[in-house]
Amino acid sequence: NAGVMQNPRHLVRRRGQEARLRCSPMKGHSHVYWYRQLPEEGLKFMVYLQKENIIDESGMPKERFSAEFPKEGPSILRIQQVVRGDSAAYFCASSPSNTYEQYFGPGTRLTVT
Amino acid sequence: DQQVKQNSPSLSVQEGRISILNCDYTNSMFDYFLWYKKYPAEGPTFLISISSIKDKNEDGRFTVFLNKSAKHLSLHIVPSQPGDSAVYFCAASAYTGNQFYFGTGTSLTVIP
Repeated sequence: NAGVMQNPRHLVRRRGQEARLRCSPMKGHSHVYWYRQLPEEGLKFMVYLQKENIIDESGMPKERFSAEFPKEGPSILRIQQVVRGDSAAYFCASSPSNTYEQYFGPGTRLTVT
Repeated sequence: DQQVKQNSPSLSVQEGRISILNCDYTNSMFDYFLWYKKYPAEGPTFLISISSIKDKNEDGRFTVFLNKSAKHLSLHIVPSQPGDSAVYFCAASAYTGNQFYFGTGTSLTVIP
């Protein structure tokens, strides 16, 4: 049973480009969460999605960031016009419901040059 | 606004001794708490959890204690092993909520 998969593991973008981060939840999990970890900080919640629905995006910046979890395929976190401050590790987690422990993927390390 | 705090960024313990990692929270609505362990270049791995109806939960070498009046929880690892060396995060949630709030982590080093 494969765990949560994220790709790419490392992503380098120049300022102004777009970054797309993908997350495939564990089999049978329909809840996906995205977190961001800035250097020297803990994980900060960004967004919680179920299939085709955004449930809670209170942690996501209002501009440039968007997330989706389509009926088919992985969840996507999209960052438009990246800036240096977007450089961080982005973790995806999944759970079978929002009352269970969340299982994390290995993360995508985004570097903006 | 850091609602979950881990005030010790690092901790060193001799192999075989007890490791105690501490976590404080400010939101009295939190009623579910978890500890995660993280190795470099990997995602956090769930370790142990506790709900607010309990004050202790034990799983093998790991025990989590919850003191609701002090808004404090701790993770005890005994005996500590070199493979326990990692960063430990505590996280908290209001049971009906969607967010988990994470602390900034404590880096544990177990010295052989």
